Amino acid sequence: GEDVEQSLFLSVREGDSSVINCTYTDSSSTYLYWYKQEPGAGLQLLTYIFSNMDMKQDQRLTVLLNKKDKHLSLRIADTQTGDSAIYFCAESRTGGNKLTFGTGTQLKVEL
Amino acid sequence: DTAVSQTPKYLVTQMGNDKSIKCEQNLGHDTMYWYKQDSKKFLKIMFSYNNKELIINETVPNRFSPKSPDKAHLNLHINSLELGDSAVYFCASSHHQRDNNEQFFGPGTRLTVL
Repeated sequence: GEDVEQSLFLSVREGDSSVINCTYTDSSSTYLYWYKQEPGAGLQLLTYIFSNMDMKQDQRLTVLLNKKDKHLSLRIADTQTGDSAIYFCAESRTGGNKLTFGTGTQLKVEL
Repeated sequence: DTAVSQTPKYLVTQMGNDKSIKCEQNLGHDTMYWYKQDSKKFLKIMFSYNNKELIINETVPNRFSPKSPDKAHLNLHINSLELGDSAVYFCASSHHQRDNNEQFFGPGTRLTVL
């Protein structure tokens, strides 16, 4: 079955880089996503990566995928206080409708 | 303007009551979902509908009955509410022909059962 794990908390100083990690078990995962949830709000898709890629960059965000180790990471450069939120990784298969979410990582950005 | 909207935003009710949560999307998507987020922030899919037809039902108790009157709406009716139903319920939508299955989420409905 699918299982997606993340560490629960990460604390960084403003201006530093944040790296949020995720591991998954489903080798059939085709798309992997990073969602952001701010307090009291819904989930916002930040970025996604197709499983035949190993890196994707989008402004301050860099996604790295190690398909062999089933490891996904999200790097946020120059982390700001507005980046404080819960970050969820998720996976799905091609043609599948189901998103399986990780446990979420609470990112706290300190001044 | 709102892409995926849910009502109500907050719902406080007594155990044993029956309640409904409504969801509407104006994105022209054909697939809609309900997710439950528990107090530990763990997020799990409950149901998915494609073109008003149920395609995913993740072992949710029969007390939960989704209803999709049309492609733009997916409502969730819950009978005989229990304390363990307290959670935040998120509606989402997507277009099934998009391979990347990007899902757009509503703002959530916080249900508190007393």
